[in-house]
Amino acid sequence: DVKVTQSSRYLVKRTGEKVFLECVQDMDHENMFWYRQDPGLGLRLIYFSYDVKMKEKGDIPEGYSVSREKKERFSLILESASTNQTSMYLCASKWQGQNGGYTFGSGTRLTVV
Amino acid sequence: AQTVTQSQPEMSVQEAETVTLSCTYDTSESDYYLFWYKQPPSRQMILVIRQEAYKQQNATENRFSVNFQKAAKSFSLKISDSQLGDAAMYFCAYRRNFGNEKLTFGTGTRLTIIP
Repeated sequence: DVKVTQSSRYLVKRTGEKVFLECVQDMDHENMFWYRQDPGLGLRLIYFSYDVKMKEKGDIPEGYSVSREKKERFSLILESASTNQTSMYLCASKWQGQNGGYTFGSGTRLTVV
Repeated sequence: AQTVTQSQPEMSVQEAETVTLSCTYDTSESDYYLFWYKQPPSRQMILVIRQEAYKQQNATENRFSVNFQKAAKSFSLKISDSQLGDAAMYFCAYRRNFGNEKLTFGTGTRLTIIP
């Protein structure tokens, strides 16, 4: 089975800290995604990557950046964490092509205090 | 831009009964995919069912079926013989067939099963 692993299930950080959320997949997927999930807003796409060192902004990229130096790892970076970035963060990966399914990680619940 | 709307924030159903979750979407594309995902308290997103827009036949997976109305841009999920394990958040999602592979999600419906 394809696995998408997010390094932390719960994380508490202070305002202004630099925060790294890590996501690793083990099936050589080209595409990787970072979503933010908030009650009443569903999942919103922050950034996605379709290959190593390639990235595209999603719908809500402000305050975030990403890094993909290796195919299996896609990192979400909060340069200076703020309280409005308190949320659940979900990573997903997918093979390129029509028939590939998406595999999601179990999420990181980030609290910024 | 594509949008997905789920107008029912919460639904409840008696165990063994049938429930229908609504989803509408807006797109100018003619070729796309629609999905229903389930998210139980474990947070793991699980694919429930997938529909390809060019297929007229509604997708079914055991107790789960969809009513896909392409002209109306409607994609509802019917759960038959509801079970306690069906309790979860359900998300409707859209993906265009060509171009980037991103999923656009609705806001979700929380389904409660009443024993």
